[in-house]
Amino acid sequence: AQSVTQLGSHVSVSEGALVLLRCNYSSSVPPYLFWYVQYPNQGLQLLLKYTSAATLVKGINGFEAEFKKSETSFHLTKPSAHMSDAAEYFCAVSGGNTDKLIFGTGTRLQVFP
Amino acid sequence: GAVVSQHPSRVICKSGTSVKIECRSLDFQATTMFWYRQFPKKSLMLMATSNEGSKATYEQGVEKDKFLINHASLTLSTLTVTSAHPEDSSFYICSAADNTINQPQHFGDGTRLSIL
Repeated sequence: AQSVTQLGSHVSVSEGALVLLRCNYSSSVPPYLFWYVQYPNQGLQLLLKYTSAATLVKGINGFEAEFKKSETSFHLTKPSAHMSDAAEYFCAVSGGNTDKLIFGTGTRLQVFP
Repeated sequence: GAVVSQHPSRVICKSGTSVKIECRSLDFQATTMFWYRQFPKKSLMLMATSNEGSKATYEQGVEKDKFLINHASLTLSTLTVTSAHPEDSSFYICSAADNTINQPQHFGDGTRLSIL
């Protein structure tokens, strides 16, 4: 069985500040982990993915995430927030012989000027 | 690459009508497509997994007779909400995966369905 927990349904940062969105996973098989971003009334866009290669994964728009097996975490970070980063962010896990994605409950990021 | 087109983006219709939503993979072949429902300010709930040439696999609690899924080709899956009622109003999103297990799903832009 797999699950994802996103701590903090809302995160607010100032423009230029560090962004940290937390994701912890549970998986009985080696996990594949993903971060997606959703803008209002749109579908999901892939930010980055972890597929058992490098533990530090770089994605689009300056985001990156580090897979830490010992902590069962895959937190998303960005050194300097931009106003355009305001959106909903979803962490997701898959693994084993299934394509199903299990999503976290999402974190809404607000960026203040 | 990896573009998924979903149509229509918004539908408003009367209670009792049926609504069809299309999901197309434009530049890759998708053996598997997924249909999700998203309630306001909530996460995505997987409704069903659509497999080309075979019956869809529905998640527990999803009425297969209510939400008809057809995956007639490697680039097209359709979701038909039959005899829609106001409680079916929601944001429906499809995604498609290429033929490789555990590769990212690529999402359409969603369909906002409003039943009056």
